[in-house]
Amino acid sequence: RKEVEQDPGPFNVPEGATVAFNCTYSNSASQSFFWYRQDCRKEPKLLMSVYSSGNEDGRFTAQLNRASQYISLLIRDSKLSDSATYLCVVLSGGSYIPTFGRGTSLIVHP
Amino acid sequence: ETGVTQTPRHLVMGMTNKKSLKCEQHLGHNAMYWYKQSAKKPLELMFVYNFKEQTENNSVPSRFSPECPNSSHLFLHLHTLQPEDSALYLCASSQDLDIGSGGAGTQYFGPGTRLTVL
Repeated sequence: RKEVEQDPGPFNVPEGATVAFNCTYSNSASQSFFWYRQDCRKEPKLLMSVYSSGNEDGRFTAQLNRASQYISLLIRDSKLSDSATYLCVVLSGGSYIPTFGRGTSLIVHP
Repeated sequence: ETGVTQTPRHLVMGMTNKKSLKCEQHLGHNAMYWYKQSAKKPLELMFVYNFKEQTENNSVPSRFSPECPNSSHLFLHLHTLQPEDSALYLCASSQDLDIGSGGAGTQYFGPGTRLTVL
């Protein structure tokens, strides 16, 4: 089983839709979680950290489910500019080495 | 702007060439990273430096040789590469490697060098 797994998609949604991605991790000692965004032919950029209690930043909500070992990213009122690949990143306990998922592709169409 | 620059942005080289990739961060960070990104694959961590000291070599072939002269600069020296080494090479930096603060999870990436090996 891969350490960090994401559905590659693509998720094809209309503007204004709500879309959610999950990311599962295999190491129960995983400690820190993040979502990054990567636009086509660009570098990854940090979107948000994922806190145990869940956190929200505008239209974006990140949640952690330790029991089931996954994190989620919810995007409300999708914009065309949200089209990108969303990367899940996990830091496991005792290691400072981040593990990246393969990413989930989102396409928002008019 | 991310505050991390990389040069060159594109590089085409033959298998017998020697070239170097350069990364510079203007963020005052202490940790720097090299990643390889190939099509359809997750980001692969290659090397980690913390306060100029190499802390991680992720089983990278010796044809890739990193150098970190100071906390702001990172180089990747390339020699006798193979066509399968063609990829996007990304540099990143973070404030530190402090697990508690998620330091290594909060990284700032450069734009990358797209490398083609003929």
